Amino acid sequence: AQSVTQLDSHVSVSEGTPVLLRCNYSSSYSPSLFWYVQHPNKGLQLLLKYTSAATLVKGINGFEAEFKKSETSFHLTKPSAHMSDAAEYFCVVSDIGRQLTFGSGTQLTVLP
Amino acid sequence: NAGVTQTPKFQVLKTGQSMTLQCAQDMNHNSMYWYRQDPGMGLRLIYYSASEGTTDKGEVPNGYNVSRLNKREFSLRLESAAPSQTSVYFCASSETWTLQETQYFGPGTRLLVL
Repeated sequence: AQSVTQLDSHVSVSEGTPVLLRCNYSSSYSPSLFWYVQHPNKGLQLLLKYTSAATLVKGINGFEAEFKKSETSFHLTKPSAHMSDAAEYFCVVSDIGRQLTFGSGTQLTVLP
Repeated sequence: NAGVTQTPKFQVLKTGQSMTLQCAQDMNHNSMYWYRQDPGMGLRLIYYSASEGTTDKGEVPNGYNVSRLNKREFSLRLESAAPSQTSVYFCASSETWTLQETQYFGPGTRLLVL
């Protein structure tokens, strides 16, 4: 069975500093991995996805994530946080069952 | 394109009442999904429709029924609402039902059951 663990429920950074949101996954198959973002009272929007091509994946708004099979991790990073990045972020895994399994989410706060 | 639309945006029900949540997509997608989102739990799949004419249970189907009305529309019905069904409900769609497919989400329906 697949599972996802987001290691931090809340992360606070200052504007202009790097962002790191951590995600570990478990899968018995070669998974696809996604990061989705949810702004307050909005639906979820895809940031980026890994589908077994390049292990470093670039997404929208300057975010990127690196797939590390040996560590079963898929951490999300951004070099410089912007106020508009404040939102909830979900790490998601999909494997042979083709259903998405969501992590519990990380709330990102960006301080001025 | 409107993408994925959901109605209503907000609803209050009394225990035992029934209601149907509507979802439509204009992207010509084959697959559609219903999720619920509860605090601290991420999203959980209720039902999905891999293609027009098919529906299957997800992780938490009890208390719900679905109808894939046509390729565009996928409705979720609560026959007898319970307070445990207070949640935010999201509809999503994808081009096909594969593990690499991106799902596109609607804005959600906030449901409060008293």
